Amino acid sequence: KAGVTQTPRYLIKTRGQQVTLSCSPISGHRSVSWYQQTPGQGLQFLFEYFSETQRNKGNFPGRFSGRQFSNSRSEMNVSTLELGDSALYLCASSLLPHSGGGDKDYGYTFGSGTRLTVV
Amino acid sequence: ILNVEQSPQSLHVQEGDSTNFTCSFPSSNFYALHWYRWETAKSPEALFVMTLNGDEKKKGRISATLNTKEGYSYLYIKGSQPEDSATYLCAAYSGGGADGLTFGKGTHLIIQP
Repeated sequence: KAGVTQTPRYLIKTRGQQVTLSCSPISGHRSVSWYQQTPGQGLQFLFEYFSETQRNKGNFPGRFSGRQFSNSRSEMNVSTLELGDSALYLCASSLLPHSGGGDKDYGYTFGSGTRLTVV
Repeated sequence: ILNVEQSPQSLHVQEGDSTNFTCSFPSSNFYALHWYRWETAKSPEALFVMTLNGDEKKKGRISATLNTKEGYSYLYIKGSQPEDSATYLCAAYSGGGADGLTFGKGTHLIIQP
């Protein structure tokens, strides 16, 4: 079956602009989580969506937002981009959300990520 | 927010040797511990999800153990092969609809032929 698809793979934006990233989960997976990785940092949790509702949100400013559609596809948006937003953004899908511990057998399935560069 | 630590940060191992590395996490409010392998230019790949104290899981030459009372997990690789070269991430989840998975910074493993 198709994996988790993230688009675009690479993106260059200018400070102050906004950006939208897309994530299509594995068919049948209803939970989508987003993570940010910056140099020297571990993956940091942004937010999680399940059944079109945001269930959890990490410690990020309000410039970071997201949504989930009825087909479980998710988008995240970053407004008023800053240089520090340059990072790899990964999404991960699972059958159930974190309150279920994710998939107890298979964990989360990650996409290949979107590399965002802010100049 | 949990604090998840991994050691060592990087590791060079001769092909054929066995190796192990550590993930430590707060033992209170523990729900699940995940291990992922992340090869360069690929997506992180789930290896194990463990929830019970004393859990031991195995996939081929790779195995993991979990001690929730003292807050650590070990990942073992037996007879390392070049294809084992990757960054190994552990992540803890505290449950209760908290902050998602908290990842460590990973152990970067290089297998030298």
